[in-house]
Amino acid sequence: QVQLVESGGGVVQPGRSLRLSCAASGFTFSNYGMHWVRQAPGKGLEWVAVISYEGSHKYYGDSVQGRFTISRDNSQNTLYLQMDSLRVEDTAVYYCAKAGDSSGYSWFDFWGQGNLVTVSS
Amino acid sequence: DIQLTQSPSFLSASVGDRVTITCRASQGISNYLDWYQHRPGKAPRLLIYAASTLHSGVPARFSGSGSGTEFTLTISRLQPEDFATYYCQQVKSYPRITTGQGTRLDIK
Repeated sequence: QVQLVESGGGVVQPGRSLRLSCAASGFTFSNYGMHWVRQAPGKGLEWVAVISYEGSHKYYGDSVQGRFTISRDNSQNTLYLQMDSLRVEDTAVYYCAKAGDSSGYSWFDFWGQGNLVTVSS
Repeated sequence: DIQLTQSPSFLSASVGDRVTITCRASQGISNYLDWYQHRPGKAPRLLIYAASTLHSGVPARFSGSGSGTEFTLTISRLQPEDFATYYCQQVKSYPRITTGQGTRLDIK
């Protein structure tokens, strides 16, 4: 069965960096686009970033453009989110999600359990 | 960006009830509309994709309809595990994916 397990979250000061990982299993990781989605406390879901199956196409939401970088290692079945210049408003639970196709231009058919990132001084 | 507005934002219902949630798009999105269920502390779960196709393993009491700018999610006979927050999401304007504000479904 499909499993997505996020790790790397924690408490970090504003302006610092953090890298999230998402370990994938149960499907051919290298065939599918992957997303990051977040949920701030008391808020709804917000799409963060997407990467195509081979990593050549990457897109970001306006709120993280220029600060976050999505990447993947298909040999390790792992998705990453490098978060730089973190702000208090980046505090959220971060989810990785599998796209239904190779580009990411489709529904999100499986999600991880999420990983909490807290940005606070 | 395409805005998605869900109604109602909060809904109180009883086990066995039939409920409908509406999602309206600020411009036409054909059938590029998906529905997700999110329970606290759990992974979000895909229910319906392409407006009306039931995702594998999702009970048949869930159904979706609509096209263009208006969409609905219907749960025909509420079960205890259905009390959660529901979101619609559009990918028509990929990569500028947007999500509705959510509808919280509580037990009456």
